[in-house]
Amino acid sequence: AQKVTQAQTEISVVEKEDVTLDCVYETRDTTYYLFWYKQPPSGELVFLIRRNSFDEQNEISGRYSWNFQKSTSSFNFTITASQVVDSAVYFCALSGSTQGGSEKLVFGKGTKLTVNP
Amino acid sequence: DGGITQSPKYLFRKEGQNVTLSCEQNLNHDAMYWYRQDPGQGLRLIYYSQIVNDFQKGDIAEGYSVSREKKESFPLTVTSAQKNPTAFYLCASSVLSRVFGNTIYFGEGSWLTVV
Repeated sequence: AQKVTQAQTEISVVEKEDVTLDCVYETRDTTYYLFWYKQPPSGELVFLIRRNSFDEQNEISGRYSWNFQKSTSSFNFTITASQVVDSAVYFCALSGSTQGGSEKLVFGKGTKLTVNP
Repeated sequence: DGGITQSPKYLFRKEGQNVTLSCEQNLNHDAMYWYRQDPGQGLRLIYYSQIVNDFQKGDIAEGYSVSREKKESFPLTVTSAQKNPTAFYLCASSVLSRVFGNTIYFGEGSWLTVV
């Protein structure tokens, strides 16, 4: 079975602080895909990043960076110099091998990030 | 603009009534999904469809029904059999990538409240 654990339920930081959101996953698939989504107060889930299991390169996009480590089954997300607009709920998600069709996403329970001015 | 449109944004249902949530996408995606989100919880899959006229149950399909008569449309009916329907409902669609699997894109969601 596939499982995603986001142990941090809520995090509160002051603007300009760096913050890391943790994500640990479980899967028996040899090929799988990891995702991060942002859910602002408006409700819509915004896609941030995807990573496949055979690409362990870390990625940086502006103030966002992602650290994927298969050895620890983790896919952590860091926001550098956080801003108030980063306040949202962040979800980590996992999907298994694609076998000629769609595979459903398994979501963690999310981490609510509050950035205070 | 391309995207996923859900309506209505807010819906109130009386106990015993069926209600239908609309979901339309113009992204030409083959697969569509319905997720339910409860406060403080992650998303749980209700139904998904890979092609027209075909759909599969997700993890919490009881009390819900769907149809997929057109590629761009995937309405969800919340029936009176759903005992606790008050939640936030998210429709999604996806394109299939051999490199990245199925990247799922979401609509803005619909709030359903039982009164």
